[in-house]
Amino acid sequence: SQKIEQNSEALNIQEGKTATLTCNYTNYSPAYLQWYRQDPGRGPVFLLLIRENEKEKRKERLKVTFDTTLKQSLFHITASQPADSATYLCALGGRDSSYKLIFGSGTRLLVRP
Amino acid sequence: DTAVSQTPKYLVTQMGNDKSIKCEQNLGHDTMYWYKQDSKKFLKIMFSYNNKELIINETVPNRFSPKSPDKAHLNLHINSLELGDSAVYFCASSPFQGNGNTIYFGEGSWLTVV
Repeated sequence: SQKIEQNSEALNIQEGKTATLTCNYTNYSPAYLQWYRQDPGRGPVFLLLIRENEKEKRKERLKVTFDTTLKQSLFHITASQPADSATYLCALGGRDSSYKLIFGSGTRLLVRP
Repeated sequence: DTAVSQTPKYLVTQMGNDKSIKCEQNLGHDTMYWYKQDSKKFLKIMFSYNNKELIINETVPNRFSPKSPDKAHLNLHINSLELGDSAVYFCASSPFQGNGNTIYFGEGSWLTVV
């Protein structure tokens, strides 16, 4: 069955460093991949989309890579700030007519001042 | 300006009761969804509607029934609530049903069944 793995342990880093979060998947061939941010008690908020034919996408301090051979996406936040502390979810987009998104359970990022 | 709004935000109810969660989006989107986030934080799709037509109906007990009176509203009715139904339910919408659709989530409805 389809499986998405994100590190369940929190990532704890110092302010100013680059945070790198990993999303691995198996038994799936997504047409695209998205990253969302979720703060405690709130709904997820869309950050970035990357398609299967794209290797890398950037938006301000955010960078996403997508390796369909390794079945992995990496999400980077450069010059991290305490305000970046949140849970980050990856989501894979399907190819069938429903274009259903399947979400990982997320990785919590803590940025220490 | 609230884009996707859902009510109530918190709901505590007894087993066996019937409850509804309402959702409205003012983004003009064609597609709306209900997602369930369990205690392990997995966000799983339950239903999706495109222009009031049911598109996705995951393996969800038939005690859960969505209703879309128009494309701006998607309500969720749950009959005979069980302890395992306790979770956070997110309503969401997207501009279209297609490749790369971005999903806009509501703030969630925390359901606790006692």
